[in-house]
Amino acid sequence: DAGVTQSPTHLIKTRGQHVTLRCSPISGHKSVSWYQQVLGQGPQFIFQYYEKEERGRGNFPDRFSARQFPNYSSELNVNALLLGDSALYLCASSGGTGIYGYTFGSGTRLTVV
Amino acid sequence: DQQVKQNSPSLSVQEGRISILNCDYTNSMFDYFLWYKKYPAEGPTFLISISSIKDKNEDGRFTVFLNKSAKHLSLHIVPSQPGDSAVYFCAASELGSNYQLIWGAGTKLIIKP
Repeated sequence: DAGVTQSPTHLIKTRGQHVTLRCSPISGHKSVSWYQQVLGQGPQFIFQYYEKEERGRGNFPDRFSARQFPNYSSELNVNALLLGDSALYLCASSGGTGIYGYTFGSGTRLTVV
Repeated sequence: DQQVKQNSPSLSVQEGRISILNCDYTNSMFDYFLWYKKYPAEGPTFLISISSIKDKNEDGRFTVFLNKSAKHLSLHIVPSQPGDSAVYFCAASELGSNYQLIWGAGTKLIIKP
């Protein structure tokens, strides 16, 4: 069975640009959560979506947005990129809402130059 | 304001001995705690969890201890094996806010042969 897949695995963007990160959950999982992990720190919660609705939002500026599609895949969008947005972006899927049964993808490494 | 703290960035242990990883928290509203393991270029994988109504949970070689009065938890790995070399994250969930995890910065465990 395929796990949580994220694309792309790495990308480099310039300050001010926009980026879209993608996540496909495990088959049957209806919840997707996004986390940002800056080097040397633990992951920080950005969003959780369940059944295409936003269920939780972390302390991130409005430049960060996300959505979930009918097939439960998800996109994370970041506008007006800053150098500080350079991080590993992790997607986790689970069968229901909440933090139980998370399975994480390998992440997308974003570098902003 | 770090609500979950892992004060040891790294820990080196001899193969076969006990590894003890520590985690402190400040938020008394946390009611569920989890440990994750992360290898390079992979997403975090769930190891073991404990509810605040318990003080110990065991799963094979892994045991988590919770001391609520001290706001402290620890992960014991016995015996330590080379494959245990990874970064270990402590994470917590707040009562009534179960859509996000609050993470520590991680401890890199190195098992020496």
